Amino acid sequence: GENVEQHPSTLSVQEGDSAVIKCTYSDSASNYFPWYKQELGKGPQLIIDIRSNVGEKKDQRIAVTLNKTAKHFSLHITETQPEDSAVYFCAATLSGGGADGLTFGKGTHLIIQP
Amino acid sequence: SQTIHQWPATLVQPVGSPLSLECTVEGTSNPNLYWYRQAAGRGLQLLFYSVGIGQISSEVPQNLSASRPQDRQFILSSKKLLLSDSGFYLCAWSLGSEQYFGPGTRLTVT
Repeated sequence: GENVEQHPSTLSVQEGDSAVIKCTYSDSASNYFPWYKQELGKGPQLIIDIRSNVGEKKDQRIAVTLNKTAKHFSLHITETQPEDSAVYFCAATLSGGGADGLTFGKGTHLIIQP
Repeated sequence: SQTIHQWPATLVQPVGSPLSLECTVEGTSNPNLYWYRQAAGRGLQLLFYSVGIGQISSEVPQNLSASRPQDRQFILSSKKLLLSDSGFYLCAWSLGSEQYFGPGTRLTVT
């Protein structure tokens, strides 16, 4: 089955700086890679996703890159703000491969220092 | 638009007591439904998923069970809670690859 590794487990950056979170996956058949943001005491929120037919996707201050050859993908947050502080999860799956769905990384606690 | 509800939001139960957590989805039909557990500071563990009424698949052996009595209703149950059942329980739905999570239920077993 799929295995997703996520690094780092904790990331502290100064407000205004950029943050990068990296994930690797094991199953070369996986073709859908979402990222979730989880604030304390709340459910994870889907913030951006990428499919294997593209290498990069951007949405305002957030971008995701995918390297299929190396089997890794990354989340980039620019001009970080205090409200970006949260736990971020990456995931991977084979789209249409079955209802059991996503395999998640263990999460990254992003701390934005004022 | 679609919304997902979970209740209760928080629950404190003694060891050995029964459990029933409920999840409902609005604004969609025949979704895939999921129950996850998240221990403190840990990742998401898939417990059960369902592709339709009465169809439940279990991912891990445990003293929990799930049922789907209606298309948009998913219930997580236990006959006798263990201390190790404490955690944050999340319900999610999907129609394709994207999964959307509910607000969660914080369960503390004492």
